[in-house]
Amino acid sequence: DIQMTQSPSSLSASVGDRVTITCRASQGISNYLAWFQQKPGKAPKSLISAASSLQSGVPSKFSGSGSGTDFTLTISSLQPEDFATYYCQQYSTYPLTFGGGTKVEIK
Amino acid sequence: QVQLVESGGGVVQPGTSLRLSCAVSGFTFSSYGMHWVRQAPGKGLEWVAVISYDGSDKYYVDSVKGRFTISRDNSKNTLYLQMDSLRAEDTAVYHCAKADGGGIYRPVDYWGQGTLVTVSS
Repeated sequence: DIQMTQSPSSLSASVGDRVTITCRASQGISNYLAWFQQKPGKAPKSLISAASSLQSGVPSKFSGSGSGTDFTLTISSLQPEDFATYYCQQYSTYPLTFGGGTKVEIK
Repeated sequence: QVQLVESGGGVVQPGTSLRLSCAVSGFTFSSYGMHWVRQAPGKGLEWVAVISYDGSDKYYVDSVKGRFTISRDNSKNTLYLQMDSLRAEDTAVYHCAKADGGGIYRPVDYWGQGTLVTVSS
């Protein structure tokens, strides 16, 4: 199975900060990488697919990059509604696997 | 708009069975692959199973192979997860999720709210 390692597992940031989350795959997955946002008690929300393509309706403050084994999710200017847990997922090879999540908290 | 509504969760004893349903609307169900993803209390997301648009391709995570069966009824716009021989470690919120294409190598674009399954004696 492909292991997905996210870092950090949690971070504290202030409104307006630029935040970067990394995701590393244990083997190459080309660009078959998605990012999701989840708020407590809510369903996950799809943010990015194909490593860098924003889902419809997702604001441009979110961006993704990377290919192969190393990927990043960047939030350009953190807003109160962005405090949540973020997950990466590879969909290159079955079984599909998620990273452990990154909890973004208010400083 | 796209809607995915799960049902069928509940509290069951180990070794018993449960069938989850996911009723969809707002898109042509028969054209899209569908997934089940679960989340144990306080834990991260775990992918469970996928089915292609026509039901011809299915994959499962190893921990549920031989116990869970994913299926779909395109005439009823409904996705199912038959769960047999349930174990305590299957306790989780189960989300159905829509892929953005018909095959099984497409990313998820929409999620349901989930239904809670608790396996306990």
